[in-house]
Amino acid sequence: EAQVTQNPRYLITVTGKKLTVTCSQNMNHEYMSWYRQDPGLGLRQIYYSMNVEVTDKGDVPEGYKVSRKEKRNFPLILESPSPNQTSLYFCASQSLAGGNNEQFFGPGTRLTVL
Amino acid sequence: GDSVTQMEGPVTLSEEAFLTINCTYTATGYPSLFWYVQYPGEGLQLLLKATKADDKGSNKGFEATYRKETTSFHLEKGSVQVSDSAVYFCARAEEYQLIWGAGTKLIIKP
Repeated sequence: EAQVTQNPRYLITVTGKKLTVTCSQNMNHEYMSWYRQDPGLGLRQIYYSMNVEVTDKGDVPEGYKVSRKEKRNFPLILESPSPNQTSLYFCASQSLAGGNNEQFFGPGTRLTVL
Repeated sequence: GDSVTQMEGPVTLSEEAFLTINCTYTATGYPSLFWYVQYPGEGLQLLLKATKADDKGSNKGFEATYRKETTSFHLEKGSVQVSDSAVYFCARAEEYQLIWGAGTKLIIKP
């Protein structure tokens, strides 16, 4: 089954404790992206990647890091989480062939930073 | 700058009512347009799309027509069900990216 998986689905942590949210896709997509979703603000892009070893900042990259060592994986790293990073996070992937632009989303990770 | 604007929610309707969720966009050219739906506790999934002017996207009884004259892509459904309760996002393509609207929460009461 074609899918995007994220782990963990729920996480409660404390300020300053490094964490990683994993994202994996099995569709051989070149493009992957991380979004955060906050009430009233819709989806805001954090980082995206066009292919292996290529990453770029989105609209709200501060406080986040990403890496793309393999095509299927795109982890999101919070080196020193703060309460304002409490949010719902989504990973998405997309094929860059054919100009389709359809993005496939993971189920989301709800993060609470105390 | 270029953007996507959706009507604010929540939108509350009774079952079998007619639904319209407005979406307008600004862009140079004629980008592909999308509606995504997010059911409670889930990620977003594509509902329908239109890739050129005057195209009509449709799925699950929902429709949206790409109107270049009014730069709009309003989502409609003739008779909503409780199971349609969700958050709906309008988006337009910009190269390989998607530019998102803020989302509209739809609540359908039995």
